[in-house]
Amino acid sequence: GQNIDQPTEMTATEGAIVQINCTYQTSGFNGLFWYQQHAGEAPTFLSYNVLDGLEEKGRFSSFLSRSKGYSYLLLKELQMKDSASYLCAVRDRDYKLSFGAGTTVTVRA
Amino acid sequence: ETGVTQTPRHLVMGMTNKKSLKCEQHLGHNAMYWYKQSAKKPLELMFVYNFKEQTENNSVPSRFSPECPNSSHLFLHLHTLQPEDSALYLCASSQDASSGANVLTFGAGSRLTVL
Repeated sequence: GQNIDQPTEMTATEGAIVQINCTYQTSGFNGLFWYQQHAGEAPTFLSYNVLDGLEEKGRFSSFLSRSKGYSYLLLKELQMKDSASYLCAVRDRDYKLSFGAGTTVTVRA
Repeated sequence: ETGVTQTPRHLVMGMTNKKSLKCEQHLGHNAMYWYKQSAKKPLELMFVYNFKEQTENNSVPSRFSPECPNSSHLFLHLHTLQPEDSALYLCASSQDASSGANVLTFGAGSRLTVL
């Protein structure tokens, strides 16, 4: 089985930076994903990491350390529309994708 | 239409009813999934179909019965459900279920309430 932990809630101010941490324990590793889910909507893909290091995609970056079982999603220049739930998901050696409970980010004006 | 479409978006049913959830994808994907999303809990994988063959049944109670007639359509048949089955049921698709990098595309979900 898999154990994926991320904070339940985070609050930040518009224009600021927020870092969402995710730790995991898994049987084998075939990649880590971050998804964004606005209330009442489908989760949408943000990023994929399979090798150690930082992947940057516009205002969003994702980091992975496989030896530490650790990832973070960095949201820069926060906008009100970034208020959403952010889901960390890990694919194991059998290609099964398991999700954390999600981190609800609230952006305040 | 594009993407993954789920119907109905909302469903209220009694414990003795029989209903079905439908999912359709227009992405040319070969894998389809059912996930259950309950408040404050991780998404729970229920079923996986890869090239129309069921490859995963994550110890789901038999009152949930999936059907995948082709690679574009996925159903979840519901009967004699319990109130604790109330949740958001998400359908997803991907190019192939046995690839590390393949990205899931989700539908908006069917919100189920069991009275």
